[in-house]
Amino acid sequence: DIVMTQSPDSLAVFLGERATINCRSSQSVLYTSNNKNYLAWYQQKPGQSPKMLIYWASTRESGVPDRFSGSGSGTDFTLTISSLQAEDVAVYYCQQYYSLPRTFGQGTKVEIK
Amino acid sequence: QVQLQESGPGLVKPSETLSLTCTVSGGSISGYYWAWIRQPPGKGLEWIGYIYYSGSTNYNPSLKSRVTISVDTSKKQFSLKVNSVTAADTAVYYCAREPYYDILTGPKSWADSWGQGTLVTVSS
Repeated sequence: DIVMTQSPDSLAVFLGERATINCRSSQSVLYTSNNKNYLAWYQQKPGQSPKMLIYWASTRESGVPDRFSGSGSGTDFTLTISSLQAEDVAVYYCQQYYSLPRTFGQGTKVEIK
Repeated sequence: QVQLQESGPGLVKPSETLSLTCTVSGGSISGYYWAWIRQPPGKGLEWIGYIYYSGSTNYNPSLKSRVTISVDTSKKQFSLKVNSVTAADTAVYYCAREPYYDILTGPKSWADSWGQGTLVTVSS
């Protein structure tokens, strides 16, 4: 199985400031034949189901605010919230869909400082 | 917009079988892969497996011997069974749609639509 490791486990950021979450995979999730990274990001607010944010490591799902952005390639990825809003308080998960079984990171909890 | 809704018993006794159903509305069940994902209380997400609308399946090896996923396209439902459950199977169970399929790489997809989840507790 591909192991996904996120850092940090939690972070507190001032409203309007940048939040950065890292995700590392135990093997590359870049499919060289199409140059796509098989990496997604989800947001899970308290008491809710996960919500799709980003796929192909950097493509925002329709309707996701542009303050959310994804970057990285191969084994190292980053989710950035450029200007944290109160409604962004949540746990964020990365997921690889390069190989089976699909696996998730352990989650990063984002709070307001 | 597609909506998914899980249903089934919230309490299952140890050693018995957990059975859940996911009903799809607002969209077609055909042409997609449909997944089950679970989340133990206070913990992270675990992918259980998927089924294609035609019936082909793939399961997480960690659960493979105990899991069966089936589909009923006429009812726009797919189901999960986990047998011989223990307390470790206590979790919120989510159903989800995996929308992407590539003819060259196969069913490698994220989950774009999720049900609200249903808590299943394993306890006597």
